[in-house]
Amino acid sequence: KNQVEQSPQSLIILEGKNCTLQCNYTVSPFSNLRWYKQDTGRGPVSLTIMTFSENTKSNGRYTATLDADTKQSSLHITASQLSDSASYICVVSARGAGSYQLTFGKGTKLSVIP
Amino acid sequence: KAGVTQTPRYLIKTRGQQVTLSCSPISGHRSVSWYQQTPGQGLQFLFEYFSETQRNKGNFPGRFSGRQFSNSRSEMNVSTLELGDSALYLCASSLLAGGGDIYNEQFFGPGTRLTVL
Repeated sequence: KNQVEQSPQSLIILEGKNCTLQCNYTVSPFSNLRWYKQDTGRGPVSLTIMTFSENTKSNGRYTATLDADTKQSSLHITASQLSDSASYICVVSARGAGSYQLTFGKGTKLSVIP
Repeated sequence: KAGVTQTPRYLIKTRGQQVTLSCSPISGHRSVSWYQQTPGQGLQFLFEYFSETQRNKGNFPGRFSGRQFSNSRSEMNVSTLELGDSALYLCASSLLAGGGDIYNEQFFGPGTRLTVL
């Protein structure tokens, strides 16, 4: 059964500090991995999408890494800002026979405090 | 280019009632997927419509149904509401069916917050 586990469930950091969120998956056959940011009460917004051959991808202060061998990904946030307070969701796409299946993690809730 | 829109944004219903939610995809997108999001379960896939046909369905009871119109707009209906149906309902659109390909990314709407009393 395809699964995506995220840790920690929640995190509180001081403004200006860095943090790293983790995503472990057991999804097969792997196609790509996405990180989404979801503000409270809003829809998720894509931060990065990585395929098997990519091990690092950046989007401003967000840097995602992927280790396809260990089936782990991380999202590193540099110099956090209050606006980074949100849930971060890891989504892994598996390619089956002519179709894709998305498996969602339950997210990490990040709170950035002044 | 306008994003995915969902109406209404908030809804309060009582047990036993039914509800219809609407989703307008990004212009040119032909696939619409629906998700239920609750604090304990995260996002759970309900169903996907492409070219007015249901392509995929998640593990939800038959009280949850949907349809898609020729202009790609989609509606989701929940009948005989239960307290456990309280959730944020998200729709996502993509150019083609599936939404899992890196060249066929899904874009989410802001969601409809449904509260069942």
